[in-house]
Amino acid sequence: DAEITQSPRHKITETGRQVTLACHQTWNHNNMFWYRQDLGHGLRLIHYSYGVQDTNKGEVSDGYSVSRSNTEDLPLTLESAASSQTSVYFCATSQGANTEAFFGQGTRLTVV
Amino acid sequence: AQRVTQPEKLLSVFKGAPVELKCNYSYSGSPELFWYVQYSRQRLQLLLRHISRESIKGFTADLNKGETSFHLKKPFAQEEDSAMYYCALSTSGANNLFFGTGTRLTVIP
Repeated sequence: DAEITQSPRHKITETGRQVTLACHQTWNHNNMFWYRQDLGHGLRLIHYSYGVQDTNKGEVSDGYSVSRSNTEDLPLTLESAASSQTSVYFCATSQGANTEAFFGQGTRLTVV
Repeated sequence: AQRVTQPEKLLSVFKGAPVELKCNYSYSGSPELFWYVQYSRQRLQLLLRHISRESIKGFTADLNKGETSFHLKKPFAQEEDSAMYYCALSTSGANNLFFGTGTRLTVIP
């Protein structure tokens, strides 16, 4: 069965450190997304990619970066982790415009 | 710019009672509207989308362009409906989903 796998599931890091969250999909979908989930804000889009070598900023992209070197992976990097980036991060994929999005199980990141 | 508003953060209803989760949107074009659900310790998953016009787990949602609403309804709530519900919007021909802030539904036995 096709799958989206996020790793790690939980991460505690210190302020100022660089952190990378992994997202791997076997759906063979072109579209991949990173969201953060915060109480009172719902899901907010961080970055997204429509295909290999394509990356775009979402509404809350400051302090984050992504790269897309293949179809399967879209790692999310926090350049210098801040306490405001403590959140639950979700990776998602979709086949095309206006189609169902499939989500990973989430990564809970705590920045201390 | 597009926006999705879910006015209720928390909603509690008794088992067997009707439930309505409100969703309003703002977008100048023709939107695609979705409801996603997150059950405890499960992934976020699609519940229904307006273009399919189907009932999933007894839930329905009608797109009202005049009121720019896409409220989710179920005539008789069940305990297993307790979850976090997100309304989402996709703009014409776009690949991105814009989510509301979510409503946590609790069905009281």
